Amino acid sequence: QVQLQESGPGLVKPPETLSLTCAVSGYSISSGYYWGWIRQPPGKGLEWIGSMSESGRTYYNPSLKSRVTILLDTSKNQFSLNLGSVTAADTAVYYCARAKYYYDNSGDVQYSFDNWGQGTLVTVSS
Amino acid sequence: QSVLTQPPSVSAAPGQKVTISCSGSSSNIGNNYVSWYQILPGTAPKLLIYDDHKRPSGVPDRFSGSKSGTSATLGFTGLQTGDEADYYCGTWDSGLSTVVFGGGTKLTVL
Repeated sequence: QVQLQESGPGLVKPPETLSLTCAVSGYSISSGYYWGWIRQPPGKGLEWIGSMSESGRTYYNPSLKSRVTILLDTSKNQFSLNLGSVTAADTAVYYCARAKYYYDNSGDVQYSFDNWGQGTLVTVSS
Repeated sequence: QSVLTQPPSVSAAPGQKVTISCSGSSSNIGNNYVSWYQILPGTAPKLLIYDDHKRPSGVPDRFSGSKSGTSATLGFTGLQTGDEADYYCGTWDSGLSTVVFGGGTKLTVL
């Protein structure tokens, strides 16, 4: 059974960097899949932040790309999120998740998140 | 403003059927696969449907997914009070090169 657990500060001051870690158990992150982050601001919907494959291939949401870094640490079986220059608009519940991503023979993309962490609330405030 | 459009809320009585719609465009739903997620209060989101209509192991067949053109639908039969949750559709948008989600639909079981 794959389990993911987010950890990190619950309060970050602007314009510092938000840093979160996702510990994975029940599956080796070096064995495949993509590993990603999604967030949900209070009262709003889900927003994809980005994902990274076990081979190091990375995809970021273009609206956040200039501020985001996702890294995999295979020795600890965990991955991390760094989001720089945060503002109050970055206040959200942050989820880590395992993602399946591939193109079929027609070029159609399958991108789904099959295992998620519980989420952690990060508040950006001075 | 979400790229995919869902109704903010739907409701039905226990034991009844209900559907949640998700409307997009040719750059997302029209040419890529749709997935659906359930978020119960205080719990990790759960994948309900992937590849438009497939259910992961352990998801009961009371839940179904379908797609036609640029719209997708999540269906429920035999509604239970435990189904009260927020539901989100998601897919890849080839024009934006990003994963996009709907704004979410709150299901109330009356």
